[in-house]
Amino acid sequence: GENVGLHLPTLSVQEGDNSIINCAYSNSASDYFIWYKQESGKGPQFIIDIRSNMDKRQGQRVTVLLNKTVKHLSLQIAATQPGDSAVYFCAENRGYSSASKIIFGSGTRLSIRP
Amino acid sequence: GAVVSQHPSWVICKSGTSVKIECRSLDFQATTMFWYRQFPKQSLMLMATSNEGSKATYEQGVEKDKFLINHASLTLSTLTVTSAHPEDSSFYICSARRSGRASEQFFGPGTRLTVL
Repeated sequence: GENVGLHLPTLSVQEGDNSIINCAYSNSASDYFIWYKQESGKGPQFIIDIRSNMDKRQGQRVTVLLNKTVKHLSLQIAATQPGDSAVYFCAENRGYSSASKIIFGSGTRLSIRP
Repeated sequence: GAVVSQHPSWVICKSGTSVKIECRSLDFQATTMFWYRQFPKQSLMLMATSNEGSKATYEQGVEKDKFLINHASLTLSTLTVTSAHPEDSSFYICSARRSGRASEQFFGPGTRLTVL
């Protein structure tokens, strides 16, 4: 299966600084991408999404950038707070309409330094 | 709105027994539900897609006879781990897609399975 055997990299950020989490995806046909936040022992929580016809989308303190040329996705978190500590996963929607499914990419653990 | 629940939240069982995990969409109808498995410090791996009233579609490498999926109604899907072994110990997470909205998928809180 996908992503089996991978171990999560860690990003350590000073509280108050901006965080940038990167992700590469493999399927050039994917048309919809999502970032999730997962706290320990919990299910993934939706953060922000972006469609392939866009290259940037902003939410509250978060921005997602999509570069389709190099198949790269990034999540920027402004003014990182202790509550942002979690594992962040990028995911892509594969397939079409009712046959589509969300496939998770590798995750990144974000830790906040006080 | 769009809440997905799982029951139980955790379960411990003996090797060789079967365990059933329920996934419910509480405030919406879900034509499609998905089951994921997550090992420690790893990503979520899609196991199968469950469509209401039809057989589940399993991802490559997932044993359909070991992981039985039933999606009998628009709000309930169950995953049964048959003859569980310690290597089946994992965090099982379901998600549900709201009927008519292909891109909206909501995740449950997960079920921690420990097989002794």
